[in-house]
Amino acid sequence: GAVVSQHPSWVICKSGTSVKIECRSLDFQATTMFWYRQFPKQSLMLMATSNEGSKATYEQGVEKDKFLINHASLTLSTLTVTSAHPEDSSFYICSARVLPASGLSQETQYFGPGTRLLVL
Amino acid sequence: AQSVTQPDIHITVSEGASLELRCNYSYGATPYLFWYVQSPGQGLQLLLKYFSGDTLVQGIKGFEAEFKRSQSSFNLRKPSVHWSDAAEYFCAVERVAGGGNKLTFGTGTQLKVEL
Repeated sequence: GAVVSQHPSWVICKSGTSVKIECRSLDFQATTMFWYRQFPKQSLMLMATSNEGSKATYEQGVEKDKFLINHASLTLSTLTVTSAHPEDSSFYICSARVLPASGLSQETQYFGPGTRLLVL
Repeated sequence: AQSVTQPDIHITVSEGASLELRCNYSYGATPYLFWYVQSPGQGLQLLLKYFSGDTLVQGIKGFEAEFKRSQSSFNLRKPSVHWSDAAEYFCAVERVAGGGNKLTFGTGTQLKVEL
């Protein structure tokens, strides 16, 4: 259980175009999804927190107009990289928070397989 | 501010040998701690987590980790490493922030297993 998928798994685009990445929770509902960026040989950096039905919360230094996040349903969040440039090339990973059915306060994030973006 | 340090960027062990990956954290409150593993081309998989209670936590794939508050550490261990354990390992601490709890990751430790 708790499977998160991402589509596409990789994408190559021309500079100046926009790219949309989907993140889906397949077998559970996720009120909160997270978007991370990972550069080669580096750690995951949180970009934004996406709550269903409300505006995303962006981390300091992340351009909200550059990285548009939509969380339209309890199973889908999308990240759109607008007017992509080569410096936006990276590995983008989403995660979804599972609220345990027992009602305990502990939470666990489950991660998607990532989307590799290459901007030419 | 919270932070996670993984002192070892790379570690190489022989198959069958024991393993310990170090993780130190800095967090003002009682931490929620996690270990994730990332294999090439795959997403992060949760190995284990610590929220409270027993400081020795058992995870999947034969891994365990011990929370030591006095040392601000949460080291990951495995008694006998298998070649399939070669991957990148990330330690993370969950912090309470506006908009909900968030994970801060360490820089990762790349594990290489020699046959």
